Amino acid sequence: RKEVEQDPGPFNVPEGATVAFNCTYSNSASQSFFWYRQDCRKEPKLLMSVYSSGNEDGRFTAQLNRASQYISLLIRDSKLSDSATYLCVVNTGYSTLTFGKGTMLLVSP
Amino acid sequence: DAGITQSPRYKITETGRQVTLMCHQTWSHSYMFWYRQDLGHGLRLIYYSAAADITDKGEVPDGYVVSRSKTENFPLTLESATRSQTSVYFCASGGQDRSQPQHFGDGTRLSIL
Repeated sequence: RKEVEQDPGPFNVPEGATVAFNCTYSNSASQSFFWYRQDCRKEPKLLMSVYSSGNEDGRFTAQLNRASQYISLLIRDSKLSDSATYLCVVNTGYSTLTFGKGTMLLVSP
Repeated sequence: DAGITQSPRYKITETGRQVTLMCHQTWSHSYMFWYRQDLGHGLRLIYYSAAADITDKGEVPDGYVVSRSKTENFPLTLESATRSQTSVYFCASGGQDRSQPQHFGDGTRLSIL
């Protein structure tokens, strides 16, 4: 099983839609979790950290399910500018961050 | 304040040449990282450094050399470039321990002919 797995997509949604991505991780000892956003081979940018109790930042909600070893990202009211690749990132505590390959989101008018 | 800067942004060179990619950060982060990103592979860690004069191999270190004589600089050298090293290279820095989020430079697009 890969350390961090994501559905590559693309997820095609209309503007205003709600979309959710999941990411599974293999190491139950993983301690910290993040979502990054990457536009068309530009640098990845930190979108948000993921906390155990779940957290929200505007239209974005991140959740962690330790029992099932997955994290999720929910985007409400999608904008054209949300079109990007979303990278799931996990830290096991004894190594550097592990990046998933990303899920591509395409928001259409 | 750019935070983390990479140079050059674009580079074309020939096989067998030595090429050095530069990375400079102004945050005084302890950790710095070099990744390459290729279609189908995502980000792959080449080398990282926990502090000045401390470096360690990542997932794909072969053919690369790094050094870190100063906290703010972390150059990556391809000693004898090969076509398989054509890629986009990202430098990142990240806090005082390896579990903290990383912040990336703009990347260097390297083509080896």
